Order: sequence, then structure tokens, then C-alpha cells
Amino acid sequence: EAGVAQSPRYKIIEKRQSVAFWCNPISGHATLYWYQQILGQGPKLLIQFQNNGVVDDSQLPKDRFSAERLKGVDSTLKIQPAKLEDSAVYLCASSLDRRDEAFFGQGTRLTVV
Amino acid sequence: AQSVTQLDSQVPVFEEAPVELRCNYSSSVSVYLFWYVQYPNQGLQLLLKYLSGSTLVKGINGFEAEFNKSQTSFHLRKPSVHISDTAEYFCAVTTLGSGDKLTFGTGTRLAVRP
Repeated sequence: EAGVAQSPRYKIIEKRQSVAFWCNPISGHATLYWYQQILGQGPKLLIQFQNNGVVDDSQLPKDRFSAERLKGVDSTLKIQPAKLEDSAVYLCASSLDRRDEAFFGQGTRLTVV
Repeated sequence: AQSVTQLDSQVPVFEEAPVELRCNYSSSVSVYLFWYVQYPNQGLQLLLKYLSGSTLVKGINGFEAEFNKSQTSFHLRKPSVHISDTAEYFCAVTTLGSGDKLTFGTGTRLAVRP
């Protein structure tokens, strides 16, 4: 079974630039999560989708972050414009349903300079 | 609101010694509990989970955890650690209802020394 795929693995951008991350969840998984993991901290939930609907985005900085999950499959997370404090690893995860085990991708390490 | 507290940011231990990583949660409703492990430059991998039933849960790599509802704890244990267990360990909780969000603790760095 293929795992959660994320790209790119690494990205370096200057502040005020924009960046996008892509996630392909495990086939058949209805729930998709985006987490932000700052160095030395635990993952923080940014947004949770159930199929193509948003379940929770209470911690998503909506003035600069946006996410979509077209057709309830792939998802993209965008930051525009980026700030230095956005430097982190962005993790995508998926699960069969909201109460099931979440499977994680390897993450995208973003460095904002 | 739910929260997860991992009391130790780092736990140094010698190889073949036992270890316990502590986790406490706060929630007024039923929860599912998880432990994940993160090796350097990798994503998170599930070690074990508690959904219901027996409060002692066994996971991969010889780890186990015990759910204690009265103390709202879910401590992770291993009777004898290996160098390869060196990693970051995260406790996580899903509070049933209210969107079933999966919330993580801040992590515990397990450093196994020879």
C-alpha cells in the first residue's frame, strides 16, 4: 500500500514570497490533515478535511495560509506571503475516517530567509 | 478544549535499561489515545493506540502503554531499550465529538546511550 506522498521535500524561499505544498493521501482515506511542526515542538494542526469539506481550521492563519482539497483527494497548502516564523516542517497525514489512525508523509521542510 | 502534556522534554537512558515516557491529557469526554515515534528527518509512525477495551496496549518494537482514566494518563513503557530506539516520541489524543481533532503533545526526546 502506497503511503502519504508529499512534495517538495525541501524548500527555501525569501520572506514575502509565496510557496505551495502538495499532498497525495492514501487511496480511500476520507480525512486529511495538515500540521505545522516547528523545530523542537510537537505538530500543530493547521487544517483538517473530511472528504473535500473543512472540519477544523481554527489554527490556520487565514490572512496568509490557504488550503484546498479538490475532489476529496489531493490537497495543497499555500503560504502567501511567507514570514520568517513560517520556517517549519509541514506534515500531511490521512486516515480512513476522523477517529482512525493517521498515517503521515515525510513532510516538507520550509526555510524562510 | 483538549490538551496533551508530555512532562519530560528529554529522557536519557542507558541501553537495556527500562524507560517510561509520561503523557497526561485533559478532556471532559471520551478520548482515543496514540503514541507516535519520529526518527530524524522522517515522518511520524504509529507505535500504539488505545481506542477501548483493555487499558494495557501493546505496540510495535516492544513498547506498551497503559490508559489510566482516573489519572488521565497514557504513559509509554519499554522494559529494555536499544540504541535504535533513540527518537522523538509524541503522545496524541482525539477527543470524540467536536470534529475529532488529533492533538499532539510537545514530544519527548529519548536518548539511549551505550
